[in-house]
Amino acid sequence: DTGVSQDPRHKITKRGQNVTFRCDPISEHNRLYWYRQTLGQGPEFLTYFQNEAQLEKSRLLSDRFSAERPKGSFSTLEIQRTEQGDSAMYLCASSKPGGSSYNEQFFGPGTRLTVL
Amino acid sequence: AQSVTQLGSHVSVSEGALVLLRCNYSSSVPPYLFWYVQYPNQGLQLLLKYTTGATLVKGINGFEAEFKKSETSFHLTKPSAHMSDAAEYFCAVRGRANDYKLSFGAGTTVTVRA
Repeated sequence: DTGVSQDPRHKITKRGQNVTFRCDPISEHNRLYWYRQTLGQGPEFLTYFQNEAQLEKSRLLSDRFSAERPKGSFSTLEIQRTEQGDSAMYLCASSKPGGSSYNEQFFGPGTRLTVL
Repeated sequence: AQSVTQLGSHVSVSEGALVLLRCNYSSSVPPYLFWYVQYPNQGLQLLLKYTTGATLVKGINGFEAEFKKSETSFHLTKPSAHMSDAAEYFCAVRGRANDYKLSFGAGTTVTVRA
């Protein structure tokens, strides 16, 4: 499978714990995006990387959230001191620059986080 | 800034009937527009996109959408619904140039009656 992969697919944690999610983009894609989707809502943009550089962060990304893409390949999203309001589906997407694809974003299956 | 409004959170259609999902957008620049479909426990899959050129765009699975600048709309249609069309559908907008993030609507859940 050469699509975007995310791990784990499901995570249950207790309030106050830290969690980390991983995203592996499509291999030739240099842009990587994180979105959060809560029940009954569309995905909301969190942050994006071009290669290893984090170029934009949403106001939704509080100081408890941190994302990295150290070698411009996979990315991790860490949430510290989780809160019940962090329960959501975390989606990762990737895209390649320019050309006729107009930056089409390909999405992974998501990581569903439940904070008890 | 860009935003999307999807009218109707749930749509129920009979198999073989027309599917019409409404999307209106707000954008300060000429936008790129997208429709994505999400099946249960899966990620989003691109159905179709409008970038430039022809305002009627065709996508996968028999769906099409028309960009109407004067109405700031990008409604999605399919002439004849199939049971496999039952899913959640999201309209999204992206600004041009260096604004790469997508802004999504709240989604419309489609159910198909036999």
